[in-house]
Amino acid sequence: GQNIDQPTEMTATEGAIVQINCTYQTSGFNGLFWYQQHAGEAPTFLSYNVLDGLEEKGRFSSFLSRSKGYSYRLLKELQMKDSASYLCAYARGSTLGRLYFGRGTQLTVWP
Amino acid sequence: DAGVIQSPRHEVTEMGQEVTLRCKPISGHDYLFWYRQTMMRGLELLIYFNNNVPIDDSGMPEDRFSAKMPNASFSTLKIQPSEPRDSAVYFCASNPRDASSGNTIYFGEGSWLTVV
Repeated sequence: GQNIDQPTEMTATEGAIVQINCTYQTSGFNGLFWYQQHAGEAPTFLSYNVLDGLEEKGRFSSFLSRSKGYSYRLLKELQMKDSASYLCAYARGSTLGRLYFGRGTQLTVWP
Repeated sequence: DAGVIQSPRHEVTEMGQEVTLRCKPISGHDYLFWYRQTMMRGLELLIYFNNNVPIDDSGMPEDRFSAKMPNASFSTLKIQPSEPRDSAVYFCASNPRDASSGNTIYFGEGSWLTVV
């Protein structure tokens, strides 16, 4: 396997807050990515954390703890359009496109 | 600027047939990646190239799979002979040599392959 794990499914209601967790195990770590993927479409980039801490951007934030091999993606004020699969992935070494993906968390937002 | 371009977008083929998937990376990008996505295994890297040279093909599942990059603007992934278990979405991605930020990796729209 790729030594990266995230929940398969999550559900929440509009306006709520959801946190999608991701754990990984690797050497040569060079950053943690979050991608969003709608059904039938390509993954689209959301965030990249290479240092520990929280990065916030509007309704969204992403957190990384390298010592714990842990990241999360936080979505606030959920909207229906946030329903999608959220993929976490880590990079090893200097080739940033060489990514090891989790299987994705399918988030469903209910009205 | 056009993004990563893949063709065909959808292909249905019979078991045993040869399948060729094509990719045009973003101009100026030195790295090209072929990924495969299935429900069971998620997104997995098959092979990647740097300056048209294959660097790591350890993800290529078996000898039936081959990939080439004859020049900086074109790559192919070939499956011969195809089998039903090869049914998946195949994504091509590229990034520039000096990628220092994660927001420099671009995926194509994918090629949806069904082998019956």
